[in-house]
Amino acid sequence: AQSVAQPEDQVNVAEGNPLTVKCTYSVSGNPYLFWYVQYPNRGLQFLLKYITGDNLVKGSYGFEAEFNKSQTSFHLKKPSALVSDSALYFCAVRDGRGDYKLSFGAGTTVTVRA
Amino acid sequence: DTAVSQTPKYLVTQMGNDKSIKCEQNLGHDTMYWYKQDSKKFLKIMFSYNNKELIINETVPNRFSPKSPDKAHLNLHINSLELGDSAVYFCASSQISEQETQYFGPGTRLLVL
Repeated sequence: AQSVAQPEDQVNVAEGNPLTVKCTYSVSGNPYLFWYVQYPNRGLQFLLKYITGDNLVKGSYGFEAEFNKSQTSFHLKKPSALVSDSALYFCAVRDGRGDYKLSFGAGTTVTVRA
Repeated sequence: DTAVSQTPKYLVTQMGNDKSIKCEQNLGHDTMYWYKQDSKKFLKIMFSYNNKELIINETVPNRFSPKSPDKAHLNLHINSLELGDSAVYFCASSQISEQETQYFGPGTRLLVL
């Protein structure tokens, strides 16, 4: 079975400060990890993914994520948050053993204050 | 230009009615999905089709029936709508590989009264 945990329902940061959204996962095989963002009343937009290779993955809008196999984590980061980054962020995992299902975390609401 | 599109965007209907939601993708992908997002924003896979063949069928009431006329279209038909069906339904598409990214449509907001 595969699962994802996002331990924080909400993250609040001031504009210009670093932003971190936490994600831990559980899979039987190799993990394929994804981050998506959802703005109010919109669909999910893909930010970045980890498949293999370099543990630091760079994505859209200045976001990056670090894959840590020993801690089974894939935290999303942005060095300097913008008010426009305020949204709902989802971490997702797919087990590399041939299961095509993508399992999502419960989501983390990010609020960046001016 | 729209990659994954859904119609309608909003759907308000009475309990007991039958309704359909349509999804189309122009990305050339061979796999399409339906997800349900509940009021707490939790996302759960419902169905997936690869080249018109059902490959994922989660525990979903049989009132929900997906139909894929071709690999660019995946429709969702819901019979005898219930209050608990109120949610946002998202369509997505990708290539079949586990490494491939799923791209989502804008969602259909269904409200059952």
